[in-house]
Amino acid sequence: DVKVTQSSRYLVKRTGEKVFLECVQDMDHENMFWYRQDPGLGLRLIYFSYDVKMKEKGDIPEGYSVSREKKERFSLILESASTNQTSMYLCASRGNSYEQYFGPGTRLTVT
Amino acid sequence: GQQLNQSPQSMFIQEGEDVSMNCTSSSIFNTWLWYKQDPGEGPVLLIALYKAGELTSNGRLTAQFGITRKDSFLNISASIPSDVGIYFCAGPYSGAGSYQLTFGKGTKLSVIP
Repeated sequence: DVKVTQSSRYLVKRTGEKVFLECVQDMDHENMFWYRQDPGLGLRLIYFSYDVKMKEKGDIPEGYSVSREKKERFSLILESASTNQTSMYLCASRGNSYEQYFGPGTRLTVT
Repeated sequence: GQQLNQSPQSMFIQEGEDVSMNCTSSSIFNTWLWYKQDPGEGPVLLIALYKAGELTSNGRLTAQFGITRKDSFLNISASIPSDVGIYFCAGPYSGAGSYQLTFGKGTKLSVIP
């Protein structure tokens, strides 16, 4: 079974803090993704990576950056958290098929 | 761009009833994926469809890849309380963005015991 883990299930941060969300997959997948999910807006792609040290912007990259130093790990960084970044963050990974496998999510609250 | 429309947006059913939901696209897809998301959790892949007309089952769940390749259907038979959640359809972008999936907004299912 594919296993995607995320470092925290719940996080509370203050406005202006730097926030790191970590994601690890154990299936040697090339591709990894970060989404945010908000009521009424569905899943929106922030960034994805198709190889180590490679990254591509998704639909809503503003205010975020990513890091992929190792194949199994993909980090999402909020350089200066803002209240409008309060959301559910989901990491996913994908091998050679189109099937993406998701982690359990991190619910981030920025106050 | 590609859009996926899911219907219904939400449904309330009695335990034991069968459920049908569908997903339509403005363009042709060569793959359809169905996910379920439990409250507070990440989506879990239920069924993947790769061929037009394909009918695939996973327990009480059955999904079909529409002949036109612009739609897909998910049926749940004899619903139980643990079927509660949001069901998403998804398909790959065509062309250069093919790493990515486009997702429907989901069908929220509530089961009344």
